[in-house]
Amino acid sequence: GQQLNQSPQSMFIQEGEDVSMNCTSSSIFNTWLWYKQDPGEGPVLLIALYKAGELTSNGRLTAQFGITRKDSFLNISASIPSDVGIYFCAGRRNRDDKIIFGKGTRLHILP
Amino acid sequence: GAGVSQSPRYKVAKRGQDVALRCDPISGHVSLFWYQQALGQGPEFLTYFQNEAQLDKSGLPSDRFFAERPEGSVSTLKIQRTQQEDSAVYLCASSLVKSYEQYFGPGTRLTVT
Repeated sequence: GQQLNQSPQSMFIQEGEDVSMNCTSSSIFNTWLWYKQDPGEGPVLLIALYKAGELTSNGRLTAQFGITRKDSFLNISASIPSDVGIYFCAGRRNRDDKIIFGKGTRLHILP
Repeated sequence: GAGVSQSPRYKVAKRGQDVALRCDPISGHVSLFWYQQALGQGPEFLTYFQNEAQLDKSGLPSDRFFAERPEGSVSTLKIQRTQQEDSAVYLCASSLVKSYEQYFGPGTRLTVT
């Protein structure tokens, strides 16, 4: 089974608001990845993080690799309608190199 | 350039039928992964190829699942004697060798009736 706890499970926000979501694990990860999945499509890679403490931005998205190597967060600033979708964190597990996905955060934007 | 493609996009199978799902990775990507995504869940690892070698098949749920990549490019995931619990989206992803930045295809939605 999966070992990543992703929260919140869903979010309802107003357009223009900032969004924050995170992922935690009981295991150490060597890589953190953040993906977005739209309905009927495969996940699309947003940000990859490779070092503890690393902070990386991609446009309005910012993600950080936690210092303990057991967590990561993703922030989205000034949300727009096309940000709607499911955001998945994924981590490369230290002990066996396998990539494990969280269950996703579903982002909804209220009209 | 072309991304990862999968076919068919949708497949309906009667319980007990065999199915074959195809994945065309990004050209030049050595690594290829198969994932199973149940409704409302994240992708779960099934198997991994580096070129034609299947290096990890620990995620395959039963011996009814079989994957191959004979020439190190296109891959096929075969499910024999499908069961209702096999209903899911099957995702294929590819990456450059030793890169963990995987690029996913659109998936094949399998429904077993």
